Amino acid sequence: NAGVTQTPKFRVLKTGQSMTLLCAQDMNHEYMYWYRQDPGMGLRLIHYSVGEGTTAKGEVPDGYNVSRLKKQNFLLGLESAAPSQTSVYFCASGDPTDYGYTFGSGTRLTVV
Amino acid sequence: DAKTTQPPSMDCAEGRAANLPCNHSTISGNEYVYWYRQIHSQGPQYIIHGLKNNETNEMASLIITEDRKSSTLILPHATLRDTAVYYCIVRVITDSWGKLQFGAGTQVVVTP
Repeated sequence: NAGVTQTPKFRVLKTGQSMTLLCAQDMNHEYMYWYRQDPGMGLRLIHYSVGEGTTAKGEVPDGYNVSRLKKQNFLLGLESAAPSQTSVYFCASGDPTDYGYTFGSGTRLTVV
Repeated sequence: DAKTTQPPSMDCAEGRAANLPCNHSTISGNEYVYWYRQIHSQGPQYIIHGLKNNETNEMASLIITEDRKSSTLILPHATLRDTAVYYCIVRVITDSWGKLQFGAGTQVVVTP
């Protein structure tokens, strides 16, 4: 039982490049979330999904797109990376009645 | 959405109890209080949650005041591994999707 797995763990991008972050969970959770965390700050919600085929905007959605084609996977895309997107990205999953959300170990992204 | 207020930092001696306060004066009747912690560079970890009554599990105890405007997380016997940022979160259920809103949290340092 791996829980929530994020790939890659580290990545350096040049400004304007694109990339996709993958989040995979094996707990059959309905809800999945993408957060970003900047140095010294709390987590901010980017996008989330309440089930396969659904997505919704969070607090800071600009510059990101997401897809949930399969229940176990939640993809976060950056079409044209900017230095302001340098951050640590965390994925989480949970269920409506779940008391605790499970977080992945994070992806450290640097945009130069 | 209800917000929380926590002290930015606190120190605790190893083996002693750590009492972490949280104010959530605008909490709604159907909102739970959750506590998570984030050990350096890792994803947040669920600790405990409660609605009205005090709660205890193998990690901590949660004391919620009768008017629900504040709560205290108690780590009964702090260890060096409890050094982390602790987040008090009110679970937003406005659209039943249970998004978590993170503040800045309290940096707890446990010293030998």
